[in-house]
Amino acid sequence: GQQLNQSPQSMFIQEGEDVSMNCTSSSIFNTWLWYKQDPGEGPVLLIALYKAGELTSNGRLTAQFGITRKDSFLNISASIPSDVGIYFCAGLRGSGNTGKLIFGQGTTLQVKP
Amino acid sequence: DGGITQSPKYLFRKEGQNVTLSCEQNLNHDAMYWYRQDPGQGLRLIYYSQIVNDFQKGDIAEGYSVSREKKESFPLTVTSAQKNPTAFYLCASNPTGRDQPQHFGDGTRLSIL
Repeated sequence: GQQLNQSPQSMFIQEGEDVSMNCTSSSIFNTWLWYKQDPGEGPVLLIALYKAGELTSNGRLTAQFGITRKDSFLNISASIPSDVGIYFCAGLRGSGNTGKLIFGQGTTLQVKP
Repeated sequence: DGGITQSPKYLFRKEGQNVTLSCEQNLNHDAMYWYRQDPGQGLRLIYYSQIVNDFQKGDIAEGYSVSREKKESFPLTVTSAQKNPTAFYLCASNPTGRDQPQHFGDGTRLSIL
């Protein structure tokens, strides 16, 4: 089936460092979403992107919808310990509102205080 | 508070048993979804429903069944035909309308005794 390739698979960084992760696909998506999941909980929506080339920020988080509509990246600036978790990208395709999301495999982030 | 409630948080099943996972939302969302999450993998779609009394198979529907008798409820039954049911199960919902992001419950962890 369809897949999103998310990288890196994991990151171990020092508090205060910036973080970058990305997702790529061979297919075009209409919408890109970025979620964060804490252990034992459901994913929480961080940023939604709806237009090719769109750059959106949410506090220390910045995400972009690639111009080709086949990729997206998420940056976290000045990381803090509570940024620890698994970050997922998700792409939405289809005409109308089929609503089916395709998820990346996730990037596990660990932050050393 | 509005949200998506999954219960129970932890569930144990003996081999050969069917079990039902509950998902309730009071967000007045039309669409609801069930995902399965395994370690190191992204979320995979089991079933989804865009309207009451209608549902569609996702990518990994074998061994699962659902019903959508009420707008706010979308229970998932893991049947004995599902040979590897141990996983974290996530329910999500979104309103109809173009490209509305999905919001998730906190999940149910199912284990085999």
